[in-house]
Amino acid sequence: DAGVIQSPRHEVTEMGQEVTLRCKPISGHNSLFWYRQTMMRGLELLIYFNNNVPIDDSGMPEDRFSAKMPNASFSTLKIQPSEPRDSAVYFCASSFRTGMEKLFFGSGTQLSVL
Amino acid sequence: GEDVEQSLFLSVREGDSSVINCTYTDSSSTYLYWYKQEPGAGLQLLTYIFSNMDMKQDQRLTVLLNKKDKHLSLRIADTQTGDSAIYFCAEMNYGQNFVFGPGTRLSVLP
Repeated sequence: DAGVIQSPRHEVTEMGQEVTLRCKPISGHNSLFWYRQTMMRGLELLIYFNNNVPIDDSGMPEDRFSAKMPNASFSTLKIQPSEPRDSAVYFCASSFRTGMEKLFFGSGTQLSVL
Repeated sequence: GEDVEQSLFLSVREGDSSVINCTYTDSSSTYLYWYKQEPGAGLQLLTYIFSNMDMKQDQRLTVLLNKKDKHLSLRIADTQTGDSAIYFCAEMNYGQNFVFGPGTRLSVLP
């Protein structure tokens, strides 16, 4: 398996623009997570889906952030409008929720909002 | 809520052993994990331990769990420059989400 695939790897945009980050989880996994990593705040869970349904979005910073999972093999995280403080590395991770769970991460999207 | 703490930095000399420590607060944690993050990459699962175990060894890695003190450690024997990375401790209780620590940046000096 190719692992969790994220695109783009790097995104540079201007304040106010819409940004869409994409994720393809590992085939067969039924849970998908979006994390944000910054030096100041470390690794933060933004939202997670189970069987394509959003379960907990309490980590989403504000209404500018939205996430969707239209099917089991694709998810998007959208920021509209983007702000400089959104600059971070955004990771997608997936797992198969059983008693013993292993979380697999993608390589991340480095977002810079100027 | 649950909390996981780690020291932020550790420096060791190549060939020495590294010990990275972690404390957690959730006494009902079912599984505890160590993840490694190399520069520009995502987190990679290194090893894990079930909460009813005291120790797990996997090649150069030894995980020790003191459930009474809620303390987890990762020992890397014969540390190499390729081990330089950020190491994250994480805990998970069945049906809940992972809770990650802030990460320990390990620097291996030649």
